[in-house]
Amino acid sequence: NAGVTQTPKFRVLKTGQSMTLLCAQDMNHEYMYWYRQDPGMGLRLIHYSVGEGTTAKGEVPDGYNVSRLKKQNFLLGLESAAPSQTSVYFCASSYSAHEQFFGPGTRLTVL
Amino acid sequence: AQSVSQHNHHVILSEAASLELGCNYSYGGTVNLFWYVQYPGQHLQLLLKYFSGDPLVKGIKGFEAEFIKSKFSFNLRKPSVQWSDTAEYFCAVLRNSGYALNFGKGTSLLVTP
Repeated sequence: NAGVTQTPKFRVLKTGQSMTLLCAQDMNHEYMYWYRQDPGMGLRLIHYSVGEGTTAKGEVPDGYNVSRLKKQNFLLGLESAAPSQTSVYFCASSYSAHEQFFGPGTRLTVL
Repeated sequence: AQSVSQHNHHVILSEAASLELGCNYSYGGTVNLFWYVQYPGQHLQLLLKYFSGDPLVKGIKGFEAEFIKSKFSFNLRKPSVQWSDTAEYFCAVLRNSGYALNFGKGTSLLVTP
């Protein structure tokens, strides 16, 4: 079991560029989440999904879009990156709305 | 307003000292409570969780936490810390009416030899 995996691990973007972060889980979990982690801010929820084909906004959704076309994958998109989106992004999944399992993170820098 | 509060942002302890990290939440109703740990350069790992039953829960690596409902608190404790406990610790709350965790801002723990 790989658990929760994220690609890429690191990325540097220029302002205005777009990119997609991929999260994959092999635990057959229904729920998946995207968080961002910033110093002194803890983890803040961007978007989440409670099942294939469903998505919902979290605490800080602006500037991001997500898709859950397959149960095992949860994609996070930045259409036009901004320096304020420089952060470490964590994906998580859970079987129900309980214990979440986290991926290793993606460190994104927007110049 | 922050719904999950961790009182200490930075804690420095010597090895063998006792640890207590505070966590308070402001949600009413039924909640599930978690402590996660993030070692340097790594992802979050679950230390322990409380869903129901005995309010004193034991987790991995000698950690424990006590849920005090009347105080809306879920403090993390360890009787004797080790250098390898150096990490960031996050308290998180899941409301039974919700789907996602609400995290505190974290406490950075440095254990010195």
